[in-house]
Amino acid sequence: AQSVTQLDSHVSVSEGTPVLLRCNYSSSYSPSLFWYVQHPNKGLQLLLKYTSAATLVKGINGFEAEFKKSETSFHLTKPSAHMSDAAEYFCVVSYGGATNKLIFGTGTLLAVQP
Amino acid sequence: DTGVSQDPRHKITKRGQNVTFRCDPISEHNRLYWYRQTLGQGPEFLTYFQNEAQLEKSRLLSDRFSAERPKGSFSTLEIQRTEQGDSAMYLCASSLKGGGTSGSSYEQYFGPGTRLTVT
Repeated sequence: AQSVTQLDSHVSVSEGTPVLLRCNYSSSYSPSLFWYVQHPNKGLQLLLKYTSAATLVKGINGFEAEFKKSETSFHLTKPSAHMSDAAEYFCVVSYGGATNKLIFGTGTLLAVQP
Repeated sequence: DTGVSQDPRHKITKRGQNVTFRCDPISEHNRLYWYRQTLGQGPEFLTYFQNEAQLEKSRLLSDRFSAERPKGSFSTLEIQRTEQGDSAMYLCASSLKGGGTSGSSYEQYFGPGTRLTVT
């Protein structure tokens, strides 16, 4: 079955320190991969996407992710956390096809301490 | 156009009642998706439309659920005889149809959701 696994349900960092949110996907064939962010009482916002072009993908707000096929991973990173980064982050996979439905991970709640 | 909108944002209903939610997609988007998100989980796919045609339904979508998209514009999701297990956030997303590896063809834009509480 197509799936995506987020390895940490909660991550806590101090402001100004690096962020690493981990994600692995099942490897049926080449997927499209995304990271979405969900702030409280707000809709899901696309941070970045990988669709078989460059393996290092840069997104909004200083986030980036690297697609590693050998490890079936798509971890999200940011060099320096800001208080406004506190939110829930979802790793998402799509295998395309006629539906192009998105398959979400269970989410990682990022807390940023002052 | 300011994005995908959903109405209402919150709905509290008693078990057994019917509820209807509305989604207005980005105007030029011909694909519309419904997802459901329960507490502590990621959103799960329910159904999608291409223009006015409903092309796929998840097994999560029981017979009590029905969705429509008349004229290929806004969509409604109706739940009949609500149960407590229906309590969740219902999310709508829209996108353009496309194929191949074009990133824009896969990008779905989400609305703020409708939070349903069944008492």
